[in-house]
Amino acid sequence: EAQVTQNPRYLITVTGKKLTVTCSQNMNHEYMSWYRQDPGLGLRQIYYSMNVEVTDKGDVPEGYKVSRKEKRNFPLILESPSPNQTSLYFCASSLGPRASYEQYFGPGTRLTVT
Amino acid sequence: AQKVTQAQTEISVVEKEDVTLDCVYETRDTTYYLFWYKQPPSGELVFLIRRNSFDEQNEISGRYSWNFQKSTSSFNFTITASQVVDSAVYFCALSLQGAQKLVFGQGTRLTINP
Repeated sequence: EAQVTQNPRYLITVTGKKLTVTCSQNMNHEYMSWYRQDPGLGLRQIYYSMNVEVTDKGDVPEGYKVSRKEKRNFPLILESPSPNQTSLYFCASSLGPRASYEQYFGPGTRLTVT
Repeated sequence: AQKVTQAQTEISVVEKEDVTLDCVYETRDTTYYLFWYKQPPSGELVFLIRRNSFDEQNEISGRYSWNFQKSTSSFNFTITASQVVDSAVYFCALSLQGAQKLVFGQGTRLTINP
């Protein structure tokens, strides 16, 4: 089954404790992206990757890092989480090489930073 | 800059009523793509439709229909004979040709009451 998986689905952590949210897709998609969803703001892009070792900032990259060492995986790293990073996070991969194609979203990771 | 506005924050209707969700977008580009995604209570994002800027034909899929009007920069979504399972948050989104992100609206929470 074609899918995007994220882990963990739920995470409660404390300020400053480094964490990684994993994302994996089994569709051999080149393009992958991370979004965060906040009430009243919709979804905003954090980072994206056009292929292995090619990543770039989205609209809200501050406080986040990503890496793309393999085509299927695109982890999101929070080196020193803060309460304003409490949010619902989605990983996505695209049917085509750009965001203008249909995107498949993971199930989401709800992060709470206390 | 691109922008998507979903002015209706919440809509509540009784089952079997028709309901229209509004989406207004802003862009100076002539080539772009519009999307609708559904987010049911379980939280995942489900792709509904992708439409390019050169195709103004209305689309119908079962009880769902979409009205794209470039003259008013709108891409509205209508559910006919609504059902309780249609209860969800619906997002409209925009992507430019060659762009690396989706620009989302704030979302409309639709509640269908039995």
